[in-house]
Amino acid sequence: DAGITQSPRHKVTETGTPVTLRCHQTENHRYMYWYRQDPGHGLRLIHYSYGVKDTDKGEVSDGYSVSRSKTEDFLLTLESATSSQTSVYFCAISEPSPGAYVGTIYFGEGSWLTVV
Amino acid sequence: DAKTTQPPSMDCAEGRAANLPCNHSTISGNEYVYWYRQIHSQGPQYIIHGLKNNETNEMASLIITEDRKSSTLILPHATLRDTAVYYCGGAGNNRKLIWGLGTSLAVNP
Repeated sequence: DAGITQSPRHKVTETGTPVTLRCHQTENHRYMYWYRQDPGHGLRLIHYSYGVKDTDKGEVSDGYSVSRSKTEDFLLTLESATSSQTSVYFCAISEPSPGAYVGTIYFGEGSWLTVV
Repeated sequence: DAKTTQPPSMDCAEGRAANLPCNHSTISGNEYVYWYRQIHSQGPQYIIHGLKNNETNEMASLIITEDRKSSTLILPHATLRDTAVYYCGGAGNNRKLIWGLGTSLAVNP
């Protein structure tokens, strides 16, 4: 399995507080993704990164910001958490493969965030 | 960005092939098709990806139609442990990896 570590794995926070989730990889993969998963839904893309300091918005980016100052870390920040951001957050990493912009995808184990 | 559609649920008998369809009629020429699955209360698991040629690995086969508007994920001999939700998605030269709503596959004994 790819070396992906998400932290924290579980967090309860209060509405209005800032929260940062960290995705750390040891694979030196170029692409990193943050998704959220809500009950009955698949993964929805929040933000993604295609290199250090290169990030872009996904499908549900409002209320979230990201930073990638080094290859191995991709941080997701909720500036002012709301109850609608209660979710499970998954990080994913990938590298180009021969002929494909995005190759094999490795997923983290998830971070459960509850905003009360 | 290609939008993918999948049937919400399917059944399959244990030992038989499970054929999971995905429609991606708006896919662009440079977008690959990707599949992952999620077994209940576990994390996502990557399965396979392809562009236009059929692909096979130790988990599954991916058949993409010639016009690339649809694809089928094939689990050749489904087992009870293949019961999961299967998602298809796409990514192109913008590396933006988007997923559909998934098909819940029930493999029955």
